[in-house]
Parts: sequence; C-alpha cells; structure tokens
Amino acid sequence: DTAVSQTPKYLVTQMGNDKSIKCEQNLGHDTMYWYKQDSKKFLKIMFSYNNKELIINETVPNRFSPKSPDKAHLNLHINSLELGDSAVYFCASSHLRTARDTQYFGPGTRLTVL
Amino acid sequence: KQEVTQIPAALSVPEGENLVLNCSFTDSAIYNLQWFRQDPGKGLTSLLLIQSSQREQTSGRLNASLDKSSGRSTLYIAASQPGDSATYLCAVSGASGSRLTFGEGTQLTVNP
Repeated sequence: DTAVSQTPKYLVTQMGNDKSIKCEQNLGHDTMYWYKQDSKKFLKIMFSYNNKELIINETVPNRFSPKSPDKAHLNLHINSLELGDSAVYFCASSHLRTARDTQYFGPGTRLTVL
Repeated sequence: KQEVTQIPAALSVPEGENLVLNCSFTDSAIYNLQWFRQDPGKGLTSLLLIQSSQREQTSGRLNASLDKSSGRSTLYIAASQPGDSATYLCAVSGASGSRLTFGEGTQLTVNP
C-alpha cells in the first residue's frame, strides 16, 4: 500500500551513461514533483507536472528530461551523466496543482556517478 | 528570491526534554509553511502545514507556530523520545503557492 514509490533505490553508473528513475503514486493525486537533494542535504525542486502537463521547470540542464505517461507516473531520464549529478532524487505528489497542500514523498533514489 | 534558514543545524538532547527548532525565511509573502521529518535513507514525511493566515498548528506532541510578518516559525517538540531522532526540514511556498523552498534542516538526536 505504498503511496509514492521509486525505482531503483540505488543507482551506480559511469560518467556519460544514460539512466532513468521511475516514480509512481497511488494516491490519486494530480501533481507530481522531482526534487534533488545534494551532499549537503539541501533539497531543491527540479520539475513539477500536473495531469501530465509540465508546470515547473527549474534551471536544470536539459540532460534531465521528465516524462509523465499518465498522472500516476513521473519518470526522470538523465542523459550523459556527470559526476555532479550524484545526489538523492526524490519524487513527490500532491492533490492540488501547486505547493498549496501537503506533499507526499517517495523513499528516494541515491544516484552515484563514477 | 526566498531563502530559508534553520537553526541549529544539529541538536542533541536527553530523552524527555522539551525542545524548539527554529526556521526563518526572507520573503514574508508566503502561502504556507510546512514542517517535514526525514529519517536516514528515507523520504520526507509531512508533520504540520500552517496556512499563511494561521498562527499555529498542533499534532500530538508537536506544535508549530508561524509569525509571517517577522519571517519566523518554530517547531516545539514536547517530552522528546529517541524515536524523534531525525532531520527536521522547514519549507515555505511562495505567495501563489507555486513551489516549496526548503531549509537545510536540523538534525535532532534524542539520547535515551
């Protein structure tokens, strides 16, 4: 009965590779988010989708491309991985379109780029 | 640009103590303020959400206050327990409620 799930939990890869992280929520929420938490534990929003529509796109390299096949899924694809991409990536969801209500977070994906 | 600061960065207390975590933000034009808890290797869990028109919210042993005009919030934890050990994050959403800006968190350790 997991609310927000992410796969994989850990991802170790070489520089230059392309990888994807998947996220699914079973809460019936309309909005999903991707956050990045760096080594200093600082959490920053990357993207937000509402009903498959991109509504927030922070200053993120275009190597990062979110994909929302339906409102319950928001995947993150990363091309040409760099060392600085190493971080924990969190998916979240909320009922409302914006950050006006409680956000529910997934367990995170720890990405290590070697 | 909104900036959120949390003090202290780390706190260690003996079990049973009452404690206060502080959060300050630079732009008082917020829609709401949220407190989250993060356990090691896990995602964030929402604890309390205070709307900009509210002064405080309570849930069990937790009480969060909001002084929007001064850009401050506090999270009060009563009768702390070892299970309260975690990182506590404060986040504010902008006036339109568009996105959350997080502080860097306070790492709390409650010793038995």
